Amino acid sequence: DQQVKQNSPSLSVQEGRISILNCDYTNSMFDYFLWYKKYPAEGPTFLISISSIKDKNEDGRFTVFLNKSAKHLSLHIVPSQPGDSAVYFCAASARGYGGATNKLIFGTGTLLAVQP
Amino acid sequence: KAGVTQTPRYLIKTRGQQVTLSCSPISGHRSVSWYQQTPGQGLQFLFEYFSETQRNKGNFPGRFSGRQFSNSRSEMNVSTLELGDSALYLCASSFEGGGYGYTFGSGTRLTVV
Repeated sequence: DQQVKQNSPSLSVQEGRISILNCDYTNSMFDYFLWYKKYPAEGPTFLISISSIKDKNEDGRFTVFLNKSAKHLSLHIVPSQPGDSAVYFCAASARGYGGATNKLIFGTGTLLAVQP
Repeated sequence: KAGVTQTPRYLIKTRGQQVTLSCSPISGHRSVSWYQQTPGQGLQFLFEYFSETQRNKGNFPGRFSGRQFSNSRSEMNVSTLELGDSALYLCASSFEGGGYGYTFGSGTRLTVV
């Protein structure tokens, strides 16, 4: 049972335009969401997170939006740069419910290609 | 400070063999979590160790096991390897675990032939 889903395996965007990566979840107990970026032959690196008490969090070119009623979050990258080309994973956990025994559940990833 | 170190980086094993992977967390981190990454499956949670105790476990068969030492270094072991075990195995360390503040290593690429 895939509790965190990224339905687009890949996305291609022109440099300078907006990249929108989407993520859906099914577990209503999830209250903390994160995005990770992964280059080949490297481990995932943390990008941005959002708590369920917010609907938006911004960090430079990266903004994450959370729609709790739709159980949907998205990552916006503006403007997109060729160096942003990587696999992006969304992840979720139920911080408020499981405490320290939480585990981070990841989606299947979206490969973003930013064309120069 | 040094990051999360996983050894070896690459490994080729034969079906039926066993393998041990190692993860050295960031100094001071007490939690180590292990994930399996395969194409199309994303990162699948294997288990988490905190202060030498397994605190959480994913849905993997008993062939997958792990342990953590008093210096927080962790090992995972896969016995009776199957072709489907070929994957990138990632570990993540954090101070308190539970999904907080994970730093990932570069992973061990295991190929089973």
